[in-house]
Amino acid sequence: EVQLVESGGVLVQPGGSLRLSCAASGITLSSYWMHWVRQAPGKGPEWVSRINTDGLITIYADSVKGRVTISRDTAKSTLYLQMNSLRPEDTAVYYCARERRDSGTALDYWGQGTLVTVSS
Amino acid sequence: DILMTQSPDSLSVSLGERATINCKSSQSVLYSSNNKNYLAWYRQKPGQPPKLLIYWASTRESGVPDRFSGSGSGTDFTLTISSLQAEDVAVYYCQQYYTTPYTFGQGTKLEIK
Repeated sequence: EVQLVESGGVLVQPGGSLRLSCAASGITLSSYWMHWVRQAPGKGPEWVSRINTDGLITIYADSVKGRVTISRDTAKSTLYLQMNSLRPEDTAVYYCARERRDSGTALDYWGQGTLVTVSS
Repeated sequence: DILMTQSPDSLSVSLGERATINCKSSQSVLYSSNNKNYLAWYRQKPGQPPKLLIYWASTRESGVPDRFSGSGSGTDFTLTISSLQAEDVAVYYCQQYYTTPYTFGQGTKLEIK
């Protein structure tokens, strides 16, 4: 059974940094493109970032580009999102999600999410 | 960015009746080389992550009941629930994955009348 479990969400001050983790089980991270998607309170989902199967191709939304880095450790079966220079508008539940094969970029497995709150 | 606009914002439907949700993209998400529409539908219940229902605009995800169907092409798409069940109460989102950033609609809240 595929399981994605996010962690690392905390209350952080504007300008601060944190790293989110997504522990994957039931899948091999190197076999799938993986994504981070966030959802601000009461809003729809917003795609954040994507990493390819070999970890060498990464893409970011303009809203986070230059402040966020997606990476993964296949030995630990963990996906990461390093977030720097955090802003209040980064406040959201952050989900990791797996890209379904042969679907384009539809996301078929999601974690339960971890809440990041940026506030002074 | 491709803007995804759903209608209506909220919908009340009686149990057993049909529910229809529309999604319009600001530009076509039909890729001419493979004739596929790069569009997905998700359902999100309170406190849960989104769940994939439909991809390629009309392909039902494994395990999704056949009362859910997707249709449309180019810029106009529809999610239809043929016979509403109580467990279908949720917010529904469309998403385009034709190009980055992969954008979602604002959501349609579906309730029981």
